Amino acid sequence: ETGVTQTPRHLVMGMTNKKSLKCEQHLGHNAMYWYKQSAKKPLELMFVYNFKEQTENNSVPSRFSPECPNSSHLFLHLHTLQPEDSALYLCASSQEIAGGHEQYFGPGTRLTVT
Amino acid sequence: GQNIDQPTEMTATEGAIVQINCTYQTSGFNGLFWYQQHAGEAPTFLSYNVLDGLEEKGRFSSFLSRSKGYSYLLLKELQMKDSASYLCAVRDGDYKLSFGAGTTVTVRA
Repeated sequence: ETGVTQTPRHLVMGMTNKKSLKCEQHLGHNAMYWYKQSAKKPLELMFVYNFKEQTENNSVPSRFSPECPNSSHLFLHLHTLQPEDSALYLCASSQEIAGGHEQYFGPGTRLTVT
Repeated sequence: GQNIDQPTEMTATEGAIVQINCTYQTSGFNGLFWYQQHAGEAPTFLSYNVLDGLEEKGRFSSFLSRSKGYSYLLLKELQMKDSASYLCAVRDGDYKLSFGAGTTVTVRA
């Protein structure tokens, strides 16, 4: 248990559906992240939030829409996804003060787009 | 862009030592991390190096040479539970980590 929870753990959705992924961290951190992990490929950073403000959008398609209502919660809203979006979506958090702090990852949501 | 390379797979025997190498070329450097990820689970933090040299933590050690853009993770006295994927990640800014594709280590009895 890393102190970062994600729901749902598994999600199957059609290309016309709208769904949301939820992440919550119980560590008092001030930065939160969304990553995409596909088989045999490096983790890809999607979004970074620091003190609820988005500081990084790594050229992610607009069909992925993040929301960070407070420093403990992070959402990823999904709509009109493509089959190639099927992957493991990982949330992470860290305490960013002077840099060099490790990120704590949630267990991920395994997404399948049909 | 960032370029982080590590071997895809390694196999070793229980009780042995395995060294996982990582080379990187990044636009900046602010530390190198190693994570362990068991199948179907979250990556968990193993080690952090920002200065040259060796950091030891129990059975695991990590080494960094900034001038060579090189790091390794050393796993000693291998146990079956060490079978996992090991991720090398370089911090190239205040928050951004760039990851390698991971090295799958299989420990055989």
